Amino acid sequence: QKEVEQNSGPLSVPEGAIASLNCTYSDRVSQSFFWYRQYSGKSPELIMSIYSNGDKEDGRFTAQLNKASQYVSLLIRDSQPSDSATYLCAVRGRGNYQLIWGAGTKLIIKP
Amino acid sequence: EAGVVQSPRYKIIEKKQPVAFWCNPISGHNTLYWYLQNLGQGPELLIRYENEEAVDDSQLPKDRFSAERLKGVDSTLKIQPAELGDSAVYLCASSSNRGSGPNEQFFGPGTRLTVL
Repeated sequence: QKEVEQNSGPLSVPEGAIASLNCTYSDRVSQSFFWYRQYSGKSPELIMSIYSNGDKEDGRFTAQLNKASQYVSLLIRDSQPSDSATYLCAVRGRGNYQLIWGAGTKLIIKP
Repeated sequence: EAGVVQSPRYKIIEKKQPVAFWCNPISGHNTLYWYLQNLGQGPELLIRYENEEAVDDSQLPKDRFSAERLKGVDSTLKIQPAELGDSAVYLCASSSNRGSGPNEQFFGPGTRLTVL
């Protein structure tokens, strides 16, 4: 069974520090990887997508993909209290539009 | 560009009653998804439409759930009769799956259903 695993947290990070969120997946043919942010009571919001090994940067966010080790990470630099949310990892296999979702990691940024 | 629109935002019903949710995807998005999300969990796919065709409905409880997307644009998800365990957030998402693009999914605000 295809799975996506995330530590449920909560992960507590001081304001201004780097928050590191990790996600592992079981399906080796997975090709597309997505990070969504979900505030309490709101719907998931896409913040990053990555398809190739290596790093992808967008502002304070960096997604890191390692297909050999089957993990994808999200780094948030200069963490702000507004980054406090649940971060969901989603993975899609080759030729398949269905996303396999992790349960999310709750991130708390402490002022 | 307008995002995915859903209504209602909240619905409270008694068990055994019917309920319907409506979704209008982002303009030009041919793929529409209905998800269910319980607290502390990731979204679970109920059904996926490519234009007006339901191409993945294996997770839809067909004894009580039904969905339609008659003209390939907006969609309705119905539950009849509702059960206590159906209380959840129902999310609609859309993506543009033409060509070899990223096929990123964008979500509407969701409908929070409470069954009493």
